[in-house]
Amino acid sequence: AQKITQTQPGMFVQEKEAVTLDCTYDTSDPSYGLFWYKQPSSGEMIFLIYQGSYDQQNATEGRYSLNFQKARKSANLVISASQLGDSAMYFCAMREPHNTDKLIFGTGTRLQVFP
Amino acid sequence: NAGVTQTPKFQVLKTGQSMTLQCAQDMNHNSMYWYRQDPGMGLRLIYYSASEGTTDKGEVPNGYNVSRLNKREFSLRLESAAPSQTSVYFCASGTGARQETQYFGPGTRLLVL
Repeated sequence: AQKITQTQPGMFVQEKEAVTLDCTYDTSDPSYGLFWYKQPSSGEMIFLIYQGSYDQQNATEGRYSLNFQKARKSANLVISASQLGDSAMYFCAMREPHNTDKLIFGTGTRLQVFP
Repeated sequence: NAGVTQTPKFQVLKTGQSMTLQCAQDMNHNSMYWYRQDPGMGLRLIYYSASEGTTDKGEVPNGYNVSRLNKREFSLRLESAAPSQTSVYFCASGTGARQETQYFGPGTRLLVL
């Protein structure tokens, strides 16, 4: 069965520094997608970035990039130049499209950015 | 463009009471989903609907029923609420395409006493 693991319950980073949030996954399906979502204290789920299993390059979206290491089954989120507004919960999720398009979520990492 | 809307935003129930959570999307998406979020557990899928007229169980369906009323609306019903159903409930919708994200509603906070 597919599984998403986020081993860091909490992370701290100083403003303007970069931070890496870890995510490992487990699947036997060769075709899958990986997503990162941000959940601020207001509660909404905000989509950040997507990586497909067949994508040759690591995904990037502004200050967000995904360090995709397929052989190690890891999909770490890198936030560059952290801002105070980046303080939030971050969730990694995986979709196996051949097994419907359900999303499986990790337990999340709480990021705190300090001045 | 409202996206995904959910009602109510907050609800307090007594054990044994019933209620329906409403969800609507205006993005013409085929797929809709109900998740619950508990502290330390991430989001877990309760039920989903891949298209109008179809529904399937997710990871934690016990104690819930759903109705895909039409393409826009997907409701979640608690027939006899239990304290274990205290949670934040999110509705989401998506095209179902592999690279497409799901779009989430603002959530409903439910407290069962």
